[in-house]
Amino acid sequence: GQQLNQSPQSMFIQEGEDVSMNCTSSSIFNTWLWYKQDPGEGPVLLIALYKAGELTSNGRLTAQFGITRKDSFLNISASIPSDVGIYFCAGQLPPSGTYKYIFGTGTRLKVLA
Amino acid sequence: KAGVTQTPRYLIKTRGQQVTLSCSPISGHRSVSWYQQTPGQGLQFLFEYFSETQRNKGNFPGRFSGRQFSNSRSEMNVSTLELGDSALYLCASSLGASGHIETQYFGPGTRLLVL
Repeated sequence: GQQLNQSPQSMFIQEGEDVSMNCTSSSIFNTWLWYKQDPGEGPVLLIALYKAGELTSNGRLTAQFGITRKDSFLNISASIPSDVGIYFCAGQLPPSGTYKYIFGTGTRLKVLA
Repeated sequence: KAGVTQTPRYLIKTRGQQVTLSCSPISGHRSVSWYQQTPGQGLQFLFEYFSETQRNKGNFPGRFSGRQFSNSRSEMNVSTLELGDSALYLCASSLGASGHIETQYFGPGTRLLVL
């Protein structure tokens, strides 16, 4: 199936460091969503982006909808141990009889205390 | 407002059996999407239901089917289970409004193990 290119695949960082991850695609998207998933649980929505160029924050998290509408970025500032998990991006394709989301391959984040 | 609920949370079946999973969306949400998540393939879209009709479908065999009831609750069924069907099955709900911009909220998932 279709997937977005998400990078990095995994990262180890020290507590207190900032983290950046991104998703890119050759397709244009109408909406970008960022999720965090803990082991054995469903993804939890972190940030939703609806407009090209939009920059939105949720606490220590900041995400941006790329101007070209083909990419999105998520930054986590001052990471803490509970930030550990897998982060997914999801893009919603423009309506063409379909409203489905395409998901990134995930970034596995590990924070070292 | 209660979130998306899925039952059962865990399930063990044997090859050849069939299984039915249930999803109750957030109150007021009319769209329910189903996904299969495996370590190798990531999150793969199965299908989406809106107002009791299948609106979108992913690239899965016909053994995977679903339905939606008038109260927006949805079920998915997998017949003739194969070992490769072992996965976390996730349900996501959204308003399903015609404005196209949608935010999906996921349930905790049903972990299916096929032996």
